[in-house]
Amino acid sequence: QVTLKESGPGILQPSQTLSLTCTFSGFSLSTYDMGVGWIRQPSGKGLEWLANIWWDDDKYYNPSLKNRLTISKDTSNNQAFLKITNVDTADTATYYCARIEDWELRDWGQGVLVTVSS
Amino acid sequence: NTVMTQSPTSMFTSVGDRVTMSCKASQNVGINVGWYQQKTGQSPKRLIYWASNRDTGVPDRFTGSGSGTDFTLTISNMQAEDPAIYYCLQHNSYPWTFGGGTKLELK
Repeated sequence: QVTLKESGPGILQPSQTLSLTCTFSGFSLSTYDMGVGWIRQPSGKGLEWLANIWWDDDKYYNPSLKNRLTISKDTSNNQAFLKITNVDTADTATYYCARIEDWELRDWGQGVLVTVSS
Repeated sequence: NTVMTQSPTSMFTSVGDRVTMSCKASQNVGINVGWYQQKTGQSPKRLIYWASNRDTGVPDRFTGSGSGTDFTLTISNMQAEDPAIYYCLQHNSYPWTFGGGTKLELK
């Protein structure tokens, strides 16, 4: 059974760096063609894809966030990470991680709400 | 970037109805499209992958079709548990992009 769970700071101030962790089970990020993606959703709005990391450490980012994103993984501990630098109120959202299978976002975590406020 | 345009943005339907919603890509994405269902307060759930393949456990009243730029999700027999927002996602090229969603509600 595949499960994913996101964790984060809950609330942070503008200009700080947001660090998110995705802890998963039921699959390995060292398996060929496996990946983890990050997606966010402001309250009442649609979904925005942020970044993917693949089994071979290939990484892809949404250019709309202008180099503020860094994705990484710890294969041994079944975790993936996302950092967003210089946050502002527009980064307030629920952040999801998802397992990538068949080149799509197959299994999703429950999401973690992050609020940016001074 | 590939823009995914969903229509309608919202619709009301009744139990037993046949429901069709559309997703149009701004450029050819092949069959690299998935459909996701998001019920209120829940995370998205994938229903369809590679445009027309139903995920395990998804009722067969859900059907995906299309290729290239035009994609459709059909619910053949609307059920009381189907109200949700439905999103399409293209993964043909980076950045991956979602449609804006179709909100499906019961009358």
